Amino acid sequence: EVQLVESGGGLVQPGGSRRLSCAASGFTFSNSWMGWVRQAPGKGLEWVAHIDQGGSARYYVDSVKGRFTISRDNAKTSVYLQMNSLRADDTAVYYCATVGSNWSKLESWGQGTLVTVSS
Amino acid sequence: QSALTQPRSVSGSPGQSVTISCTGTSSDIGGYNFVSWYQQHPGKAPKFIIYDATKRPSGVPDRFSGSKSGNTASLTISGLQAEDEADYYCCSFAGSYSLVFGGGTKLTVL
Repeated sequence: EVQLVESGGGLVQPGGSRRLSCAASGFTFSNSWMGWVRQAPGKGLEWVAHIDQGGSARYYVDSVKGRFTISRDNAKTSVYLQMNSLRADDTAVYYCATVGSNWSKLESWGQGTLVTVSS
Repeated sequence: QSALTQPRSVSGSPGQSVTISCTGTSSDIGGYNFVSWYQQHPGKAPKFIIYDATKRPSGVPDRFSGSKSGNTASLTISGLQAEDEADYYCCSFAGSYSLVFGGGTKLTVL
């Protein structure tokens, strides 16, 4: 059974940084693209970033380019989201997800971790 | 990239069918068959229920079906059940290595 467990959320001041982690198990992690999707409180889903199996190809939504970095460690079967220069509108639950044979196939999701950006 | 357009809410009685539309452009829905749908119950993570516009992952009841015509994708839920009450989101590949979601539709089972 696929399991994805996010961690690292919490309260951050505007302009601050936070690193989210997603520990994966139950599938061959090194064969799978991975992604992050966020959901602001009471709002809809927003794609944040994808990363390929080897970690060399990374893609981002425009609003986080230059501030967020997605990475992975296949030995630790984990994917990360380094978030810098955080703003109030980055406040959201952040979910990691496995990406299937095409980009829009977000097959398995973690339970999410809440990041609140506030002073 | 603009969000896909979904109705904010739909409703139906148990046993009935409802259809949720998702309208995009030729740069996303109209340009690719990479449309997926997700079901989200309150306080829970989204669940993947349709991919490639019309296909169901294993384990998803055949009451859920998807279709696409031009720039619009649709999700139909037949034989509505109480547990179908949830938020539903469409998602499409939007070219240039990007994904776009719809704003979400709240389904109420009357």
